[in-house]
Amino acid sequence: QSALTQPRSVSGSPGQSVTISCTGTSSDVGGHNYVSWYQQHPGKAPKLMIFDVNRRPSGVPDRFSGSKSGNTASLTISGLQAEDEADYYCSSYAGNYDVVFGGGTKLTVL
Amino acid sequence: EVQLVQSGAEVKKPGESLKISCKGSGHSFTTNWIGWVRQMPGKGLEWMGIIFPADSDTRYSPSFQGQVTISADKSISTAYLQWSSLRASDSAMYYCASPFGEPAWGQGTLVTVSS
Repeated sequence: QSALTQPRSVSGSPGQSVTISCTGTSSDVGGHNYVSWYQQHPGKAPKLMIFDVNRRPSGVPDRFSGSKSGNTASLTISGLQAEDEADYYCSSYAGNYDVVFGGGTKLTVL
Repeated sequence: EVQLVQSGAEVKKPGESLKISCKGSGHSFTTNWIGWVRQMPGKGLEWMGIIFPADSDTRYSPSFQGQVTISADKSISTAYLQWSSLRASDSAMYYCASPFGEPAWGQGTLVTVSS
C-alpha cells in the first residue's frame, strides 16, 4: 500500500491559518470517510487531532478542523500558536482492515 | 473507548527474540481491532498489521508479513508484537493503536537492537 502524500513542510506566523493536504486514492482517502490526523512533538507519541475526516476528540481546540474533497483530505489550523509547531501525519482506512499513513508534514511557526 | 498501555523499553542483541505487549482497559478491548505501528528514528509512521482479539483474525501489511508476528490473549486484554530473530534495523519505536472509531494509541515501546 502506497503512503499518502503530504507536503514535507509548511509554515505560518502566529495568528495565521495553515492547511496541510493529504492525497491518496479512491481506495483509501476517496473511498472511505475514515481519515485521521495526528500531531507529534519530538520524543512524544502521536496525539489524535481529527478522526472520521472532521471530528475532534474531546479536548482538541476548535482551531483544528478537517475536511475532504475527492482523494484529498486537509487539516486546517487557524489562529496558529507556537505550541502547534510539530509534525503532522494523516492516516486513512484503506479497506480490508488496512490503514495507510502519510509521510508527515513539519509545521514551523515563524 | 479503549485505553492502551504498552510494555517498557527493550535493549536486545541481534538474533535475539522479543515479544512486546499492549494491554487494553475498558470493556471494548476484545471488540476493537488493535494494530501496530513502527516509527524508525527520525522517520514517519508505518502500519505493520492488525488483530481482532475476539477471534485472533490477523492481517499484515505486505512490508511486514513474515517479519513479525502479531497475536493477542483476549482473556487478559493484551495484544503482542514479536520477533523471532531481531536485526539492528528493527530498532524503532513501536506503537499499538486501536485505529477505528475514535482512535486510541499506546504510549510506545522503544526497541533498541545493538551488539
